[in-house]
Amino acid sequence: DQQVKQNSPSLSVQEGRISILNCDYTNSMFDYFLWYKKYPAEGPTFLISISSIKDKNEDGRFTVFLNKSAKHLSLHIVPSQPGDSAVYFCAASAGNTGNQFYFGTGTSLTVIP
Amino acid sequence: NAGVTQTPKFRILKIGQSMTLQCTQDMNHNYMYWYRQDPGMGLKLIYYSVGAGITDKGEVPNGYNVSRSTTEDFPLRLELAAPSQTSVYFCASSQGRVNQPQHFGDGTRLSIL
Repeated sequence: DQQVKQNSPSLSVQEGRISILNCDYTNSMFDYFLWYKKYPAEGPTFLISISSIKDKNEDGRFTVFLNKSAKHLSLHIVPSQPGDSAVYFCAASAGNTGNQFYFGTGTSLTVIP
Repeated sequence: NAGVTQTPKFRILKIGQSMTLQCTQDMNHNYMYWYRQDPGMGLKLIYYSVGAGITDKGEVPNGYNVSRSTTEDFPLRLELAAPSQTSVYFCASSQGRVNQPQHFGDGTRLSIL
């Protein structure tokens, strides 16, 4: 039972354009969401997070949007750079069981120079 | 800046053999986690620990054991290796329990033949 879903296995965008990565979840108890970036042969690296009390969080070129009613979050990267090419995972946790994060299956982003 | 260190990086085991995957962190984090990632899947939590001497099961604990004798180390033991345990294993740590991102090691790629 996949509680966090990333329905697009891959995405290609031109350098300088916007990349939009999507994530859906089923558990309404989730209240903390994160995005991780992963390069080959490395572990995931924390990118940005958002709490359910917010609907937007921004950090430089990266913005995460949360739509609680739709149980949907998205990561926007503007402008996209070739170094952004990686696999992106979204993850979610419920505050009352904060020891367990549930991960999506990942979206492989390729930024074309 | 070591962070989370996992050894070995690669290992091939025969069915029925046992081994221990090592994980150590130098950030003085109380919380540590073991995940596995199968091809095309998200990370699944195997075991976690909230401090020295305290461990608990995650989503997929069968076939594994853990111990936490120190804050720094969190080894994962496979007693009787099975082909279904072929996966990439990631260790992670975090500073706190709720709403804290996890820091990951670079993974151990394990093949059971």
